[in-house]
Amino acid sequence: EPEVTQTPSHQVTQMGQEVILRCVPISNHLYFYWYRQILGQKVEFLVSFYNNEISEKSEIFDDQFSVERPDGSNFTLKIRSTKLEDSAMYFCASSGAESSYEQYFGPGTRLTVT
Amino acid sequence: KNEVEQSPQNLTAQEGEFITINCSYSVGISALHWLQQHPGGGIVSLFMLSSGKKKHGRLIATINIQEKHSSLHITASHPRDSAVYICAVRSGSSGSARQLTFGSGTQLTVLP
Repeated sequence: EPEVTQTPSHQVTQMGQEVILRCVPISNHLYFYWYRQILGQKVEFLVSFYNNEISEKSEIFDDQFSVERPDGSNFTLKIRSTKLEDSAMYFCASSGAESSYEQYFGPGTRLTVT
Repeated sequence: KNEVEQSPQNLTAQEGEFITINCSYSVGISALHWLQQHPGGGIVSLFMLSSGKKKHGRLIATINIQEKHSSLHITASHPRDSAVYICAVRSGSSGSARQLTFGSGTQLTVLP
């Protein structure tokens, strides 16, 4: 069964460093998402991406964040200058075309900023 | 902004018991998801529904659009069902606003 994959599973970085989280969505999906979950808190929406551009973003998704689909298979989330409060689990998800809105989640990347 | 509330927050059951987890939301939606999150953190989609009822194995999900309420039922619960169950809603009309708003989750523990 097709699945969303994410790398790395765990990333440790120092405050102020740039990180790139990678996702490979399900191959025929058209919509891509990033969510995050700070330890002990709810999952929160960050951004959605369709047709090579951001379609929605939350107030969390500020100028520190960017997304890209560099090669038609990968979907990346970049955090330019990490802060301690960026420590969280980051989930990528993808969904199909108009008639199917079900989102399929990747296993997550645990980001630890020290 | 949609507010999503789940109850209970924590639930402990004996193996074999029938379990119900509830979700209510404040604003009309186009779809509701039930998700399962295991201790390692990964999220698995169990159901997506916009009306009526869906069944998959021992899991049943129902939604009442008028009452803005959904329930997830587990029949003949088993220790392997132990996980966090999360309700998430998609607001907006078909084709727009695909972002999900999540509840806080229900931690289910099924004892052997």
